[in-house]
Amino acid sequence: AQSVTQPDIHITVSEGASLELRCNYSYGATPYLFWYVQSPGQGLQLLLKYFSGDTLVQGIKGFEAEFKRSQSSFNLRKPSVHWSDAAEYFCAVGARGGGNKLTFGTGTQLKVEL
Amino acid sequence: EPEVTQTPSHQVTQMGQEVILRCVPISNHLYFYWYRQILGQKVEFLVSFYNNEISEKSEIFDDQFSVERPDGSNFTLKIRSTKLEDSAMYFCASSEARTGGPYNSPLHFGNGTRLTVT
Repeated sequence: AQSVTQPDIHITVSEGASLELRCNYSYGATPYLFWYVQSPGQGLQLLLKYFSGDTLVQGIKGFEAEFKRSQSSFNLRKPSVHWSDAAEYFCAVGARGGGNKLTFGTGTQLKVEL
Repeated sequence: EPEVTQTPSHQVTQMGQEVILRCVPISNHLYFYWYRQILGQKVEFLVSFYNNEISEKSEIFDDQFSVERPDGSNFTLKIRSTKLEDSAMYFCASSEARTGGPYNSPLHFGNGTRLTVT
């Protein structure tokens, strides 16, 4: 069965600083990988996804993520964080041939200091 | 942009009571899901529903839970006799039914219903 680990529960960065949120997955083959964001009082919004091809994927709101098979990682990055990026970020994995079920990590709460 | 809507946003119920959480998926979507997030824990898959039947369910989704699509627009989750440990945020999601699984048919989530069992 697939699993996802997000080692950082909370991260605080200054506005304008760069950001990297870590995600490690466990799955026997190349999985579908996703990053979702949850702003306070809101649902989960898809930031970006990866299945195959170019290992650096671009998403909405200036986010990108890099798939590294050797490290089983799919870290989320943003070169310059805005105060509105403060939210909870979830990494998720979907299995090929496993229907549409997603397995989520525990999330990383991002705080942005002005 | 079309949205998944969930009602109510917050529900308080007493232990042992039945509760129904309601969702209106995006109109052209054919897959429907319930996920839940207990405070401080990860978002967990409960059930997926397609073509008027459950397509997959987790171990959490026991006999106390049921889902229904009572009409062409609503998708409901019923908890028959709530327990304290059912307190969580419940998310409804929907997706199209394309080949390629969740990559080609990303899940669209609602804002959630916070269920508090006292």
